[in-house]
Amino acid sequence: DGGITQSPKYLFRKEGQNVTLSCEQNLNHDAMYWYRQDPGQGLRLIYYSQIVNDFQKGDIAEGYSVSREKKESFPLTVTSAQKNPTAFYLCASSTPTGRDTGELFFGEGSRLTVL
Amino acid sequence: AQSVAQPEDQVNVAEGNPLTVKCTYSVSGNPYLFWYVQYPNRGLQFLLKYITGDNLVKCSYGFEAEFNKSQTSFHLKKPSALVSDSALYFCAVRENSNYQLIWGAGTKLIIKP
Repeated sequence: DGGITQSPKYLFRKEGQNVTLSCEQNLNHDAMYWYRQDPGQGLRLIYYSQIVNDFQKGDIAEGYSVSREKKESFPLTVTSAQKNPTAFYLCASSTPTGRDTGELFFGEGSRLTVL
Repeated sequence: AQSVAQPEDQVNVAEGNPLTVKCTYSVSGNPYLFWYVQYPNRGLQFLLKYITGDNLVKCSYGFEAEFNKSQTSFHLKKPSALVSDSALYFCAVRENSNYQLIWGAGTKLIIKP
């Protein structure tokens, strides 16, 4: 079945550690996105990529990094520079048409907890 | 600046009654409007969208939303609520010249048997 796979679903991190969240899609979508979700705040865009080897910062990119070496993959690294990393992270993708009309396909999310 | 408001943090409805989840928006150009639903600890699922044309849009889950330009609203409605409709609902907007979606804070919908 086509879809977006995020891993791990749950992740615990000690302060000062970098962690990488995986996002893989087999939908053949060009565009991919990372969002952060906090209670009562809706979704905030961290990074997005419209094509392989290219990505742009979203509204809250500080303390995060991404790569887009393959069309199918868009991993997110939460660095130790991110001051409040505990959150639910959502990866999404869209076709060029979807990018134009806004329809996104989401993964199941990764919940990161900093101990 | 673009913005989306979902004025209610939570909406409680008895099963079988009609439900409304409110959304108002602010954009400078023509809006593209969306509703997504999120079940606990899951990703978001697309419900419906307004791009152009008929102001009333519907989806296969029985939900509908009406674009009201004068009131800058895009409220989500369903004639008869089901317990399984209980979830977190997000409204989102973008201008037709800007690819980035702006999200509302979400409304928790609770349907009681």
